[in-house]
Amino acid sequence: SQTIHQWPATLVQPVGSPLSLECTVEGTSNPNLYWYRQAAGRGLQLLFYSVGIGQISSEVPQNLSASRPQDRQFILSSKKLLLSDSGFYLCAWTGTSTDTQYFGPGTRLTVL
Amino acid sequence: AQSVTQLGSHVSVSEGALVLLRCNYSSSVPPYLFWYVQYPNQGLQLLLKYTSAATLVKGINGFEAEFKKSETSFHLTKPSAHMSDAAEYFCAVKLKTSYDKVIFGPGTSLSVIP
Repeated sequence: SQTIHQWPATLVQPVGSPLSLECTVEGTSNPNLYWYRQAAGRGLQLLFYSVGIGQISSEVPQNLSASRPQDRQFILSSKKLLLSDSGFYLCAWTGTSTDTQYFGPGTRLTVL
Repeated sequence: AQSVTQLGSHVSVSEGALVLLRCNYSSSVPPYLFWYVQYPNQGLQLLLKYTSAATLVKGINGFEAEFKKSETSFHLTKPSAHMSDAAEYFCAVKLKTSYDKVIFGPGTSLSVIP
């Protein structure tokens, strides 16, 4: 069966520091991968999606970036965090023959 | 363009009462529709999905939803609320295209009163 992992689970970072969040999927090949952000009390905002290694599409201009160095690995990064980057970050995947997004457990990021 | 609205950002029901969470969508073609549940500090879990088969879809934890094309609705129901149903619920829509971008509604927070 397929599983999706995210780490770290929680992170507290100062403003201006770098960021690296990792997402990995097991049990499937060539998944579509997604990064979402969920601000406190708000819905989901799609940040990036990827349909293959090295292929990244950005949905919202911001100081975040994403990379996909391996088929089942998706990384969210920032060179300098802002206070507004605080939130709950969710990674999701879909398979080539499925129509459903499956979500990871999320990373709670607090920028102070 | 697709869109999803969820009427009521917060719904409270008594334990044992009917749960009804409303979802309306806008789409130029019949879409796929989903309901997800999110417990505090957790990821989203799929409750059920509609993919153009039966219009009444049964999901996990006793939830079900009915696709009504004429009303462009996909409301979520459960006959009897449990305390464990307290969570955030998201309705979502996806076009039946090769790229499966999903549009999520703003969410409805369900409280269950003992």
